[in-house]
Amino acid sequence: EAQVTQNPRYLITVTGKKLTVTCSQNMNHEYMSWYRQDPGLGLRQIYYSMNVEVTDKGDVPEGYKVSRKEKRNFPLILESPSPNQTSLYFCASSWLPERSQFFGPGTRLTVL
Amino acid sequence: DQQVKQNSPSLSVQEGRISILNCDYTNSMFDYFLWYKKYPAEGPTFLISISSIKDKNEDGRFTVLNKSAKHLSLHIVPSQPGDSAVYFCAASPISNFGNEKLTFGTGTRLTIIP
Repeated sequence: EAQVTQNPRYLITVTGKKLTVTCSQNMNHEYMSWYRQDPGLGLRQIYYSMNVEVTDKGDVPEGYKVSRKEKRNFPLILESPSPNQTSLYFCASSWLPERSQFFGPGTRLTVL
Repeated sequence: DQQVKQNSPSLSVQEGRISILNCDYTNSMFDYFLWYKKYPAEGPTFLISISSIKDKNEDGRFTVLNKSAKHLSLHIVPSQPGDSAVYFCAASPISNFGNEKLTFGTGTRLTIIP
């Protein structure tokens, strides 16, 4: 089954404690992206990757890091989380960045 | 600056009637538009798309119209209870423009009343 998986699905942490949210896709897509969803703001892109070892900033990259060492994986790293990073995070993948993307189920992060 | 706008945060429609969700955009470089549907505790799923050179695309009960300048709409006919979800409009620019990505609107929560 074609899918994008994210782990964990729910996470409560404290300010400053480094965390990683994993994302994996099994469709051999070249393009992967991270979004955050906040009330009234819709989906905003954090980082994206056009291929292995190629990553770039989206609209709201501050406080986040990513890596793309393998085609299927695109982890999102928060080195020092802060309460304003409390949000719902989605990973997505596609063949082309400007066309329909497959989304993961989401990770709800709370930073206390 | 919100380049893709969905000005109705919520919409309630009687089952069996038509649901019309609207989307406006400001960037004249957008040439491809998509609608996504999102249920609670799930990721968005692709619903239907349209390119700027077409004024209509149909897929079963879903139709996206692109007939007005910088405005498109999603029609659902007839509306069913399972259509209750948040709908996101998204837009992308002309390929090879150098900034290929999807820009999403803020979403409209559609509630179908049985």
